[in-house]
Amino acid sequence: AQSVTQLDSQVPVFEEAPVELRCNYSSSVSVYLFWYVQYPNQGLQLLLKYLSGSTLVKGINGFEAEFNKSQTSFHLRKPSVHISDTAEYFCAVSDSGGYQKVTFGTGTKLQVIP
Amino acid sequence: DTEVTQTPKHLVMGMTNKKSLKCEQHMGHRAMYWYKQKAKKPPELMFVYSYEKLSINESVPSRFSPECPNSSLLNLHLHALQPEDSALYLCASSQGRSLGPTDTQYFGPGTRLTVL
Repeated sequence: AQSVTQLDSQVPVFEEAPVELRCNYSSSVSVYLFWYVQYPNQGLQLLLKYLSGSTLVKGINGFEAEFNKSQTSFHLRKPSVHISDTAEYFCAVSDSGGYQKVTFGTGTKLQVIP
Repeated sequence: DTEVTQTPKHLVMGMTNKKSLKCEQHMGHRAMYWYKQKAKKPPELMFVYSYEKLSINESVPSRFSPECPNSSLLNLHLHALQPEDSALYLCASSQGRSLGPTDTQYFGPGTRLTVL
């Protein structure tokens, strides 16, 4: 069975500072990894995804993530955050099962401080 | 067009009411999903439709009844709900051609449901 752990429930960071949101996964088979962002009172928006190939994945809004198989991690990074990045971030995993069943982490609230 | 739309945005209903949530996409996707999200929690999968057929029901109570009238539309019929059913209900869609793990889901903005 697949699972994903987001260790930090909240991450406060000053505007224009770099940020890393941590995600670790567990699966017995090949995995596919996603980061979604949810702004207040809105649905989820796909930031980026790792399916195969290059382990460094670039997404929208200046975010990137690196797939590390040996450490079973898929941390999300941004070199300089903006106030508008304040949101909830969900890491998600799906494995090579027969259907698209995505398991979400518990989320990390990114709070950008002016 | 990568948009999934959901109506209504907000819904307040009593425990004896019958109401429906609607979800629509025009991306040619053949898989559609309903999720339930409680405050400060991740989304929980409820139902998956593939090619207009129900393929996954995650042991959801029968007071929630999904319907997929065509490939663009997904409904969730609500009847005799409980206050604990109050949540954000999210719809998503994906290409669904292989229904494999690489099939990325795109989410709508959600319907905020309050059951009194």
